[in-house]
Amino acid sequence: KQEVTQIPAALSVPEGENLVLNCSFTDSAIYNLQWFRQDPGKGLTSLLLIQSSQREQTSGRLNASLDKSSGRSTLYIAASQPGDSATYLCAVISSSNTGKLIFGQGTTLQVKP
Amino acid sequence: NAGVTQTPKFRVLKTGQSMTLLCAQDMNHEYMYWYRQDPGMGLRLIHYSVGEGTTAKGEVPDGYNVSRLKKQNFLLGLESAAPSQTSVYFCASSYGALGYNEQFFGPGTRLTVL
Repeated sequence: KQEVTQIPAALSVPEGENLVLNCSFTDSAIYNLQWFRQDPGKGLTSLLLIQSSQREQTSGRLNASLDKSSGRSTLYIAASQPGDSATYLCAVISSSNTGKLIFGQGTTLQVKP
Repeated sequence: NAGVTQTPKFRVLKTGQSMTLLCAQDMNHEYMYWYRQDPGMGLRLIHYSVGEGTTAKGEVPDGYNVSRLKKQNFLLGLESAAPSQTSVYFCASSYGALGYNEQFFGPGTRLTVL
């Protein structure tokens, strides 16, 4: 059974710092991995999607990497800003029949001005 | 494009009452999903659909029913609401299930069952 873990559960950094969020999964047979952002009381916004054949994806100040063999993904945020404060969720798809996402518990990030 | 929309945004029910949550997408997506999000449990899949007229059970389907009569709509029904169904419900959709297909989420419905 696929399980997704995100460590740490919470992170607080000063503005301007570069940071890394971690995601690990137990079964390396995945089709893709998505990183989402969730603001308090809001829905999920897709940030990056990495297909199983890819090693990384970049969007602006965000860079996500994927190492399938070790069951790990990282989300790198450069030059963090207070507006980056949110909960970041990673999720994997293990079945191409259903497209079901299996989520981690999330990392809540606070960027202090 | 509105993307994925959900109605209502908030609802309070009494135990035993019934209601239907509506999800609509205008992206011509084949796959649609209903998740619930609970503190400490994360997001869990309730039901999903791989196309118009199809539905299937996810991880936590008990107490819920779904219908996909039109490709753009996915309805989630609670026949007899219980306090354990107090949660935030999210609908999502994707074009397919292969690796390059991104899932898009709606804004959520916050449901309280008293």
